[in-house]
Amino acid sequence: DTAVSQTPKYLVTQMGNDKSIKCEQNLGHDTMYWYKQDSKKFLKIMFSYNNKELIINETVPNRFSPKSPDKAHLNLHINSLELGDSAVYFCASSQGGLETQYFGPGTRLLVL
Amino acid sequence: DAKTTQPTSMDCAEGRAANLPCNHSTISGNEYVYWYRQIHSQGPQYIIHGLKNNETNEMASLIITEDRKSSTLILPHATLRDTAVYYCIVVASGGGADGLTFGKGTHLIIQP
Repeated sequence: DTAVSQTPKYLVTQMGNDKSIKCEQNLGHDTMYWYKQDSKKFLKIMFSYNNKELIINETVPNRFSPKSPDKAHLNLHINSLELGDSAVYFCASSQGGLETQYFGPGTRLLVL
Repeated sequence: DAKTTQPTSMDCAEGRAANLPCNHSTISGNEYVYWYRQIHSQGPQYIIHGLKNNETNEMASLIITEDRKSSTLILPHATLRDTAVYYCIVVASGGGADGLTFGKGTHLIIQP
């Protein structure tokens, strides 16, 4: 059973398009996150959600909008994609904002 | 504002113990030391964490110095599958909701 799953695994798209990445966790956790890993392999927090409410937004352009329909899902919608958005995006979850986080397999986004 | 310092890379022979150091000389009293690893093309994986005492689980052991300014992650019998980037992260209790701050980590290469 996959604890944290993401779809799609790969996403290739043109500049200016709008795309969404989905994340689901079956661990019963109440906190979910989105991280971005760029080409230099630096892994940075983007968003943190607790019980469907935004906790933190780390200087992410407003083209990125997280949506949490319920505690088990945190989707990432990206408008007007730019070349610099190319990266691997990881979803994660934890219970009560604890530091033990469980990560998904990542979504590899390539913007052409 | 790096809270931890790790060697960029290390080699270890298969079957031997891999000892990965981490310096966190500015750690505060309420901050835990967490270790994660990222195997190529996968999401980060939680390994172990500790506050003051040494800890052991099925994956690894964590040795924290008495002054808490440094720690060592020990993989007792390294296998080729342990080749990964290992991240040492310092985070305050309950601070996980703000997301984890990953540094550059140590690229551990297990040699056959």
